[in-house]
This record gives sequence, structure tokens and C-alpha cells, in this order.
Amino acid sequence: DAGVIQSPRHEVTEMGQEVTLRCKPISGHNSLFWYRQTMMRGLELLIYFNNNVPIDDSGMPEDRFSAKMPNASFSTLKIQPSEPRDSAVYFCASRGQDHQPQHFGDGTRLSIL
Amino acid sequence: EDKVVQSPLSLVVHEGDTVTLNCSYEVTNFRSLLWYKQEKKAPTFLFMLTSSGIEKKSGRLSSILDKKELFSILNITATQTGDSAVYLCAVLYYGQNFVFGPGTRLSVLP
Repeated sequence: DAGVIQSPRHEVTEMGQEVTLRCKPISGHNSLFWYRQTMMRGLELLIYFNNNVPIDDSGMPEDRFSAKMPNASFSTLKIQPSEPRDSAVYFCASRGQDHQPQHFGDGTRLSIL
Repeated sequence: EDKVVQSPLSLVVHEGDTVTLNCSYEVTNFRSLLWYKQEKKAPTFLFMLTSSGIEKKSGRLSSILDKKELFSILNITATQTGDSAVYLCAVLYYGQNFVFGPGTRLSVLP
């Protein structure tokens, strides 16, 4: 079975550039979550969608961050403009029914120079 | 503020030892507690606990939840080097909100 697929696996770019991270959830899952993981802050929930609708984006750090889910099989997390402090591993996770665990993608390691 | 605390933050043991990892939480409208294992990449799911006092077991790993005292433990018996990882505790509360603890970094030496 295909798991959660994220792309790119690694991204290195200069500050000020736009960064777009992509996620394909597991087919049939109706909830999708974006997380950021750093050594200092651990795993932080940024935003989650239920049936393609953003439910809670209170974890999004700033207006520079935005997320979309145009359909059930695709989501993007965009940072514009990017800053060095955005460097982290960004995970996408999806979940099927309520009370089921989340399944994580392999993450995108983002480095902003 | 909703939070999850894990202890110890790091642990070094030798193969064959038994370890107990702790997770305590303070959240509004608790729904369930989850344990994940994270090696080099994505966290992988281990257990989901919803009811107090019912042990979940998978091979050498087991976990139990105490909803009265607001904590859970994850036990690993006869540890192996392949158990070396960061073990994350997460709590689902109030709808679909998740909060993760900082993790326990376990190192198992041969």
C-alpha cells in the first residue's frame, strides 16, 4: 500500500524565496495534518484539514505560511517569503476514520540559507 | 495550556535491559493517547490507548494508560539495538487536536 507521499525530500534555497511543499495522503483518508519538527521545539502541528476543509490553522506561525487542499488527494504548504528560521523537517500525515492513528510521510527537510 | 511531558528525555541502556518510558499530559477533553517510534524519518505508529488499565501489547513492547493520574507508560523488554529511536507520545483531544511530547531518545548499546 502506498503511504503518505511528500515531495520534495530535501529543499535548499535562499532566504526570500518561495517554498512549496507537497503531500499526497493515503487514499481514502479524510484528515490531513501538516507538522514541523525542529530540535528546539519538537513536533508542532501547523494545520489540519478534514474533508479538504481547513479546521484549525492556529499552529501556523505567521502569515508567510499558507496551506491548501484543493482535493482529497493533494495538499500544499507554502512559505513566502522564506526565512532561515523556517529550516526544519516538515511532515505531512493523514488519517482515516476518527480515533484512528495518523500515518506520516517521510518528511521534507527544508534548509533556508 | 495543553501539554504533554515525557521522561526521561534520553536514555542509554544495554541490549537485554528492560526500559520504561513515561508520558504525562494535561489537556482539555482528552480522547486518546498515542505512542510513535521515530528513527531516521517519519514517526511510525505503535499504540493508541483510549481506556484506562487495558494493556496493549506488541511483541516486546507494551503500553498502558491511567486516565485518573493522566499518564501512560511504554515498556520495552529485552531491548535490542534496533529499538534505538526517539519515542514520541501524542495526545488527541477536543476534536482532532494533537499535541506531541518532546520525545525520549533511547539508545541501546550492544
